[in-house]
Amino acid sequence: QVQLVESGGGAVQPGGSLRLSCAASGFVFSNYGMHWVRQAPGKGLEWVAFIRSDENDKYYADSVKGRFTISRDNSNNTVFLEMKTLKTEDTGVYFCAGDGFEDWFDPWGQGTLVSVSS
Amino acid sequence: EIVLTQSPAILSLSPGERATLSCRASQSVSSYLAWYQQKPGQAPRLLIYATSNRATGIPARFSGSGSGTDFTLTISSLEPDDFALYYCQQRTSWPPVYSFGQGTKLEMK
Repeated sequence: QVQLVESGGGAVQPGGSLRLSCAASGFVFSNYGMHWVRQAPGKGLEWVAFIRSDENDKYYADSVKGRFTISRDNSNNTVFLEMKTLKTEDTGVYFCAGDGFEDWFDPWGQGTLVSVSS
Repeated sequence: EIVLTQSPAILSLSPGERATLSCRASQSVSSYLAWYQQKPGQAPRLLIYATSNRATGIPARFSGSGSGTDFTLTISSLEPDDFALYYCQQRTSWPPVYSFGQGTKLEMK
């Protein structure tokens, strides 16, 4: 079945870095764009980044532009989120999600928790 | 940036009742609207895409409608499993930037 599994979350100090991974299975990964969406504790959803299927086009929320980089490895069915210069406000659960014609998100992974604090 | 405002913030209803959730955009939405359901400790699940299309496996009691700035998610007859958080979402045309509403909590009365 279609599945997305995130990994790489953890605790980090402000100014630190983390690299999240999302392994996809059950569909032709190279045909689909991929997103990262995050959710701060007790808060709503916030879109973070999008990469198209061909890896050439990438888009970011203003809140992470210049600090986060989305990439993908189509040969290994994996999408990544490289996060640098982390801030306390980056704390939350990070979900990867498949792209639906660049209008919606489906499916979703179970999420990985990132905690930024001193 | 288009801001999506959902109302009400909390909706208290009983099983069997009809639920109507609203999502209003700060300006006309040129692309489609989607709706998601999220339960505590779980990832969101796509319910409705392209304003009115049910995602795979979503029961027929869920329906979406609307256009321009006003959109609605309707649950015709609430089941106990439907009590959860609901988010609307849309995309700006270019560059693609995505926004979510702040959510409506559907709680059991």
